[in-house]
Amino acid sequence: DIQMTQSPSSLSASVGDRVTITCRASRIIRSHLNWYQQKPGKAPKLLIYSISNLQSGVPSRFSGSESGTDFTLTISSLQPEDFATYYCQQSYSTPFTFGQGTRLEIK
Amino acid sequence: EVQLVESGGGLVQPGGSLRLSCAASGFTVSSSFMSWVRLAPGKGLEWVSMLDSDGRANYADSVRGRFTISRDNSKNVLHLQMNSLRAEDTAIYYCARDQSSSWNDWGQGALVTVSS
Repeated sequence: DIQMTQSPSSLSASVGDRVTITCRASRIIRSHLNWYQQKPGKAPKLLIYSISNLQSGVPSRFSGSESGTDFTLTISSLQPEDFATYYCQQSYSTPFTFGQGTRLEIK
Repeated sequence: EVQLVESGGGLVQPGGSLRLSCAASGFTVSSSFMSWVRLAPGKGLEWVSMLDSDGRANYADSVRGRFTISRDNSKNVLHLQMNSLRAEDTAIYYCARDQSSSWNDWGQGALVTVSS
């Protein structure tokens, strides 16, 4: 199985901050890396697909990138509605695996 | 408009069974790759099972042999039959549609509680 190691597990930040969340795959997953946002009591929401493609309707302050087997989600300027839990996910092979999640909290 | 609506959740005793349903509208389930994903209390998202458009099923090791994914083409519904339920299966279960290896369409979730 492909392991997805996500860091940090939690993060405190302020409105306007730039934040970065990282995910490392245990082996090559090509471009099959997605990022989701989940708020309490809600279904996950797709933010970024195939490493760096912004899902329609998602603000441009969200972006994704890669460096080898490391993948990064960046929020350029945090807004109040961005405080949530974020997950990376590989869709290269089953079992499709998620990172452990990053809980983004207001400082 | 694409919509996914789960039903069938509830409280069940350990060892019991439950069947979840995911009613789809705005697209055809039989032509899609569909997955179940769960969120257990205090845990992260976990992929549970997938059914592809050719009817092939895949399962997480944690549920293989106990859960069965299927679809009813006439009703455009995805199912998850859960047998031999354990306390660790307690979670909110979401159905999701796979489009180009990402999941943009999700249901609202169905709560399954396994407890005596």
